[in-house]
Amino acid sequence: GAVVSQHPSRVICKSGTSVKIECRSLDFQATTMFWYRQFPKKSLMLMATSNEGSKATYEQGVEKDKFLINHASLTLSTLTVTSAHPEDSSFYICSARVNAGEQFFGPGTRLTVL
Amino acid sequence: AQSVTQLDSHVSVSEGTPVLLRCNYSSSYSPSLFWYVQHPNKGLQLLLKYTSAATLVKGINGFEAEFKKSETSFHLTKPSAHMSDAAEYFCVVSDSSGYALNFGKGTSLLVTP
Repeated sequence: GAVVSQHPSRVICKSGTSVKIECRSLDFQATTMFWYRQFPKKSLMLMATSNEGSKATYEQGVEKDKFLINHASLTLSTLTVTSAHPEDSSFYICSARVNAGEQFFGPGTRLTVL
Repeated sequence: AQSVTQLDSHVSVSEGTPVLLRCNYSSSYSPSLFWYVQHPNKGLQLLLKYTSAATLVKGINGFEAEFKKSETSFHLTKPSAHMSDAAEYFCVVSDSSGYALNFGKGTSLLVTP
């Protein structure tokens, strides 16, 4: 099946700093990438949807200035958590799809903000 | 709006016994439904999906699910649990465009020897 990678797999940062998470589709070109957030013992919450070359569409309640998403190419999307705070600590998961096909999920990135 | 409710947050079974993970859905139209599995430190993997074809859907690793419109259910079953089945399972419904996925809260499956 199609492979989606995320880097880094885990990151620890100080409060107030920014962190960038990369999501790559390794063996296919993704027209759309999605970013999810997963809290402990909770389901995944869709944060935003991004299409290559256009601005991301954010879900209600997600601060677009805090969670910057860039989908610069058909194989790469980045999520930057700006001025991170401890409450931003979470598990961030991306997925990628081609047109209306299946979503393929990355392994996730665990962010811990001290 | 489309949503799913997973009726059990935790399920524990003995190895070799049947598995039943329950999911009810709410949708104003004929939904597309999915079951995903999440093993620790691994990405979500699609087990199976229902897209208005056959109501009994067979997936990977011996799992299957039956779409029952009258009961608005899409329960996941497996005849015989294996230790490697221990994981978090998510029932998921897509939105009307088939674009975004709405996840249930997940069911943790524990398999005991």
